[in-house]
Amino acid sequence: QVQLVQSGAEVKKPGASVKVSCKASGYTFTSYAMHWVRQAPGQRLEWMGWINAGNDNTKYSQSFQDRVTITRDTSASTAYMELSSLRSEDTAVYYCARRTTGYEDWGQGTLVTVSS
Amino acid sequence: EIVLTQSPGTLSLSPGERATLSCRASQSVTSYFLAWYQQKPGQAPRLLIYGASSRATGIPDRFSGSGSGTDFTLTISRLEPEDFAVYYCQHYGSSPYSFGQGTKLEI
Repeated sequence: QVQLVQSGAEVKKPGASVKVSCKASGYTFTSYAMHWVRQAPGQRLEWMGWINAGNDNTKYSQSFQDRVTITRDTSASTAYMELSSLRSEDTAVYYCARRTTGYEDWGQGTLVTVSS
Repeated sequence: EIVLTQSPGTLSLSPGERATLSCRASQSVTSYFLAWYQQKPGQAPRLLIYGASSRATGIPDRFSGSGSGTDFTLTISRLEPEDFAVYYCQHYGSSPYSFGQGTKLEI
């Protein structure tokens, strides 16, 4: 079955960067796009961007345009999301999600806490 | 950017009752790219409906979706105890793939 397993929780200081991984299994990694979505405490889901795992094309939300980078390693069937210049408002759970008809499969989420 | 507005913010019902949740888009959304998700505390969202009206794999038939253009509805015909959660709509036709603010379904 499809599994998306994310890296563990992170605590970062303001101004730092964080890189979250999402290891995929149970399907052909390069056949689907991987999206990243975050959820601040008590807030709605917020789409961040996606990567075409086959050709490495990316698209980012304007809200994160200058701070987010999504990459992938096809040999490891893993996608990565790096967010830079962290601020307290970036404290959230970050999810990867496989795009099929909607987001059919999700990672378990990675809590990123930004605190001085 | 398409803004999705869900109503009501909170819906208080009892098991066995019917729930009707609304999602309104700021501009027309291609029905093919409208989804509904269920999220329980501490869990990732779960896809319920895609293409506005198609149930995802394993979703009970008490969940149904409808609508077109700017108005979409998620209906739960007979509420089960496990259905009390937060529900989000999302469009995923073109970026940014925005979500609604959610409807909390509570007992």
